[in-house]
Amino acid sequence: AQSVSQHNHHVILSEAASLELGCNYSYGGTVNLFWYVQYPGQHLQLLLKYFSGDPLVKGIKGFEAEFIKSKFSFNLRKPSVQWSDTAEYFCAVNVPSNNAGNMLTFGGGTRLMVKP
Amino acid sequence: EPEVTQTPSHQVTQMGQEVILRCVPISNHLYFYWYRQILGQKVEFLVSFYNNEISEKSEIFDDQFSVERPDGSNFTLKIRSTKLEDSAMYFCAGGQYSGGYTFGSGTRLTVV
Repeated sequence: AQSVSQHNHHVILSEAASLELGCNYSYGGTVNLFWYVQYPGQHLQLLLKYFSGDPLVKGIKGFEAEFIKSKFSFNLRKPSVQWSDTAEYFCAVNVPSNNAGNMLTFGGGTRLMVKP
Repeated sequence: EPEVTQTPSHQVTQMGQEVILRCVPISNHLYFYWYRQILGQKVEFLVSFYNNEISEKSEIFDDQFSVERPDGSNFTLKIRSTKLEDSAMYFCAGGQYSGGYTFGSGTRLTVV
């Protein structure tokens, strides 16, 4: 079974700082990769996803992530964070299949606080 | 933008009582899911539902849990006899294709 690790549980940055959140997964085969964001009191929103093709994926709100297959990583980046990026960020994977189940496996989340 | 709607947003129930958590997926979704997040822990998969039947379920989804889509719009999660450890945020999700998800805002269940 696949698993996902997010090693940074809490990150505090000042506005305009650059962000990189780590995500590593364990699974030997092909995976789909996702980053979700959860703003305080709100639902999980999809930031970006990778299924195949260019390993550098651009998402909403200026976020991007790079899939490095050799490192089993899918780190999230943003060159300049804003106070409004304060939220919890979740990395997730699933295994593409014809099975209609196709469950997501989530990492433990990284809580980002951006100081104004 | 279409949303997945969950009701109630917060439910408090006594241990041993039955609860039903409700979700209204986006109308063209075909795949439906329930996830939960116990406070301070990971978001965990509970069950997936497709073509009016469960397609996959986790170890958490034991006989106390059931899902149904009774009228083609609502998608419900029932917990027959709640336990303290069922206290969590429950998220419904739906998608047009397997692997694409839109999440609802969640129901916070508190069992006392």
